[in-house]
Amino acid sequence: RKEVEQDPGPFNVPEGATVAFNCTYSNSASQSFFWYRQDCRKEPKLLMSVYSSGNEDGRFTAQLNRASQYISLLIRDSKLSDSATYLCVVLSYNTDKLIFGTGTRLQVFP
Amino acid sequence: GAGVSQTPSNKVTEKGKYVELRCDPISGHTALYWYRQSLGQGPEFLIYFQGTGAADDSGLPNDRFFAVRPEGSVSTLKIQRTERGDSAVYLCASSLGRTLSYEQYFGPGTRLTVT
Repeated sequence: RKEVEQDPGPFNVPEGATVAFNCTYSNSASQSFFWYRQDCRKEPKLLMSVYSSGNEDGRFTAQLNRASQYISLLIRDSKLSDSATYLCVVLSYNTDKLIFGTGTRLQVFP
Repeated sequence: GAGVSQTPSNKVTEKGKYVELRCDPISGHTALYWYRQSLGQGPEFLIYFQGTGAADDSGLPNDRFFAVRPEGSVSTLKIQRTERGDSAVYLCASSLGRTLSYEQYFGPGTRLTVT
């Protein structure tokens, strides 16, 4: 079983739609959680960190449920420019290793 | 300012050859990481340097892979006797310090193709 699991998609949604991505992680001792965005043939870039209390950055909302070992990302009012792969990332306990999921591909169409 | 840079951007080599991939981190970043990303997968951790020393090399797949950072800045990932399965994008990242406190910034990667 992979340490971080995501639905690979693709998710094809129209502009203006709300879309949600989910992710589960297997190591209950994992200490930090992130969503990264990766455009085609580009490097991953940090989108947002994820906190137990939930956090929001504009149209993006991230949630963490430690009991269920589940992380989510909600994108409201999707834009064409949101088309990318969204990587769920976990910081392994007591290390500096980032563990990446396979990514979920989002395609927003006009 | 300048981000993480990696050279070459693309490398095609024959099976069995030796390759070196270079990473120039952001100036002042003491931590440096190497990852490997195969098609359709997320990046996979290889090795982490804090300064000149390898603090964690648990992700290196076998002894054909080796990395150095002799002066605590530029790093070189070395692959001996390359195999077709080594084909991937090799990503380098750097940060000001431990990942718990500081963001990792990724370079554009080196796309390695072993024929």
